[in-house]
Amino acid sequence: GENVEQHPSTLSVQEGDSAVIKCTYSDSASNYFPWYKQELGKRPQLIIDIRSNVGEKKDQRIAVTLNKTAKHFSLHITETQPEDSAVYFCAASIRYGGSQGNLIFGKGTKLSVKP
Amino acid sequence: ETGVTQTPRHLVMGMTNKKSLKCEQHLGHNAMYWYKQSAKKPLELMFVYNFKEQTENNSVPSRFSPECPNSSHLFLHLHTLQPEDSALYLCASSQDRQTGELFFGEGSRLTVL
Repeated sequence: GENVEQHPSTLSVQEGDSAVIKCTYSDSASNYFPWYKQELGKRPQLIIDIRSNVGEKKDQRIAVTLNKTAKHFSLHITETQPEDSAVYFCAASIRYGGSQGNLIFGKGTKLSVKP
Repeated sequence: ETGVTQTPRHLVMGMTNKKSLKCEQHLGHNAMYWYKQSAKKPLELMFVYNFKEQTENNSVPSRFSPECPNSSHLFLHLHTLQPEDSALYLCASSQDRQTGELFFGEGSRLTVL
């Protein structure tokens, strides 16, 4: 089955710097890659996702890149702010027919943005 | 209230107790999920319901028993749990099994003594 590895497990950056979190997946059939953000004591929330027919997607300060050949995808946060501090989870799943397969999550990256 | 709500937010129980976790979604979604979140581990999918029918049981021990009486409500019945079952249990919903985005509740923090 699918396995998702996520690195680093913790990341500390200065406010204004960029942060990059990387994930690799094992199943080459995976074609949907979302990223969830979980602030302390809060619920995980989808922040951005990408499907395998594109290589990059941006939404303001966040972007996700996908390399299907290497089976890895990354989250990039630019101009980090203290409110970006949270745990970020990557995930992968396979869409087959009309259904979305189960999301397999990485272990998470705790991002700390220091003012 | 909107979104996905879970009760109780915190629960402490002994190994011989029977308790239930409740999840309610006000989003009109048709798929609901239970996830287990333990420290330093990935989110683990436990159960999936689609249009009230259980479509997946991810090798979960029988001491966890899900119930989905309708598309808006999901329960997780707990009995004779072990200390290693202590975790945050997250409920989620999605429009259906065809769409990707999950909407999570804030979770029920369970401690088994």
